[in-house]
Amino acid sequence: KQEVTQIPAALSVPEGENLVLNCSFTDSAIYNLQWFRQDPGKGLTSLLLIQSSQREQTSGRLNASLDKSSGRSTLYIAASQPGDSATYLCAVPHSGTYKYIFGTGTRLKVLA
Amino acid sequence: DTGVSQDPRHKITKRGQNVTFRCDPISEHNRLYWYRQTLGQGPEFLTYFQNEAQLEKSRLLSDRFSAERPKGSFSTLEIQRTEQGDSAMYLCASSPLASGRPGEQYFGPGTRLTVT
Repeated sequence: KQEVTQIPAALSVPEGENLVLNCSFTDSAIYNLQWFRQDPGKGLTSLLLIQSSQREQTSGRLNASLDKSSGRSTLYIAASQPGDSATYLCAVPHSGTYKYIFGTGTRLKVLA
Repeated sequence: DTGVSQDPRHKITKRGQNVTFRCDPISEHNRLYWYRQTLGQGPEFLTYFQNEAQLEKSRLLSDRFSAERPKGSFSTLEIQRTEQGDSAMYLCASSPLASGRPGEQYFGPGTRLTVT
């Protein structure tokens, strides 16, 4: 059974810091992993999609890496800004299906 | 590309009533997903369509829940005889099968259901 854990659950940092958010999953037979951002009361916004054949993806100040063998992904946010404050979620498919399992997210607050 | 849209955005209903939500995916996306999210939790998978075929359904989707996607376009999620435990945000997502970035899910704004 696929289980997804995100650490830390919450994080508060001053503006300008570089951050690492962690996502771990129990079943490494995944074909992709997706990172999302969610603002309070809103839907999810896709940040990065990593296919199983890839090691990392970059978009602007965001970089996501994937290590399937160890069941881990990290989201690196460079030079954090108050506008980055949100909940960050990762999702992986369950055992070769299209049933996606989400972590409970990391609530990030970047202080000005 | 107008994104995924959901209607209504908010729904308040009394326990025992039936409700229906609609999702319009991005037009060229073959796959459509429904999720349920409660406060402080990640989205929880409910069901998934590829075109008009419902290919997976969570065990969480009891007999009171049904979803359809006629003609492989918009989808509806119906909850019959609502219970207070059904109060949640219902999210819809779509993804392309082959074009663009296959498998990347794009979410709608959600429908917030409150059962009183």
